Amino acid sequence: AQSVTQLDSQVPVFEEAPVELRCNYSSSVSVYLFWYVQYPNQGLQLLLKYLSGSTLVKGINGFEAEFNKSQTSFHLRKPSVHISDTAEYFCAVSIIQGAQKLVFGQGTRLTINP
Amino acid sequence: EPEVTQTPSHQVTQMGQEVILRCVPISNHLYFYWYRQILGQKVEFLVSFYNNEISEKSEIFDDQFSVERPDGSNFTLKIRSTKLEDSAMYFCASSEGGQGNEFFGPGTRLTVL
Repeated sequence: AQSVTQLDSQVPVFEEAPVELRCNYSSSVSVYLFWYVQYPNQGLQLLLKYLSGSTLVKGINGFEAEFNKSQTSFHLRKPSVHISDTAEYFCAVSIIQGAQKLVFGQGTRLTINP
Repeated sequence: EPEVTQTPSHQVTQMGQEVILRCVPISNHLYFYWYRQILGQKVEFLVSFYNNEISEKSEIFDDQFSVERPDGSNFTLKIRSTKLEDSAMYFCASSEGGQGNEFFGPGTRLTVL
């Protein structure tokens, strides 16, 4: 079975500061990796995904994430955050072969302070 | 831009009642999913549906739950006899095919009293 751990439940950051949201996963088979964002009262929106190839993936809204297989991590970063980035961020995995389902982490609430 | 829609946005029901949550997936998508998120907890997979049948379901998806695609556009989740612990946000998702392409709806908040 797969599991995802997001180490920080809440991350407060000042506007224009850099941010890193941490995600570690556990799986005995190869996985695809995802970050989703949930703005208040909205559904989940895909930020970025790693399927194969370059381990550094770029997503929407200036976010990027790096897949580190040896550390089983997929941390999300943004060099300079904006007030509008305030949201809940979810890391997720799915196995490459087999069932098409996502396994989510607990989520990290990112709060941007002016 | 195409999107997944869900109705209602909020459903309040009494324990033991049946509820049907409705979703309209993106029109050319072939794979459909339901997830739920209990308040303060992680998003959990419930069921996936492809080619008019369930392709996978989780332990949560017991006999009280069922899914249906009654026509070419709707995808429904029925809870036969709701329990207090069914209170959660229920998300519908759809994908054209392959992993990593799920589009999520805005969710239905189910409150069981």
